[in-house]
Amino acid sequence: AQSVSQHNHHVILSEAASLELGCNYSYGGTVNLFWYVQYPGQHLQLLLKYFSGDPLVKGIKGFEAEFIKSKFSFNLRKPSVQWSDTAEYFCAVIVLYGGSQGNLIFGKGTKLSVKP
Amino acid sequence: DAGVTQSPTHLIKTRGQQVTLRCSPKSGHDTVSWYQQALGQGPQFIFQYYEEEERQRGNFPDRFSGHQFPNYSSELNVNALLLGDSALYLCASSWRRGNEQFFGPGTRLTVL
Repeated sequence: AQSVSQHNHHVILSEAASLELGCNYSYGGTVNLFWYVQYPGQHLQLLLKYFSGDPLVKGIKGFEAEFIKSKFSFNLRKPSVQWSDTAEYFCAVIVLYGGSQGNLIFGKGTKLSVKP
Repeated sequence: DAGVTQSPTHLIKTRGQQVTLRCSPKSGHDTVSWYQQALGQGPQFIFQYYEEEERQRGNFPDRFSGHQFPNYSSELNVNALLLGDSALYLCASSWRRGNEQFFGPGTRLTVL
């Protein structure tokens, strides 16, 4: 079965530090990739997505992610985090089977705490 | 522009009871997917409804069933509740079963 692995359960950073959250998926075929964010007390929001084309995708609030097909990875990055980035981050994948698609498969999430 | 709405916000039930959760999709969307998020886990796909039919189903027992209405809103029903059904239930909507899904705030179900 397809799966998504997020390497870090909880990351603690100081403001202005750089961020990289790891994400690996297990399927070798065509995929669509997503990062969702859940701020405290709020619902899941789409941060960025990759469907095809340029493997470096930019999302909202200064986040970006790089799709490396050979490594089955889609890591999330931000050069300088802010206290307001404190949230839980979820990597997700949809597997594409020929003309149809599967469902969203989520990782377990990474909790990011940014110290002011 | 109304986003995805879910009701109720919280619900407490006892083992063996049945529960119905409701979801209204984002304006312009016609597809509804349901997810279960247990504490400390990522959301797990339950099923997806499009054109009033269940189109995909995850690894959940038949106790979990759903319905989609002509106005695209949807219900999730869970019968014979177990303690392990305690979770946050999320609804997500999209257009024509598209991959970009918008999530609602969820319903927190507690089974005692």
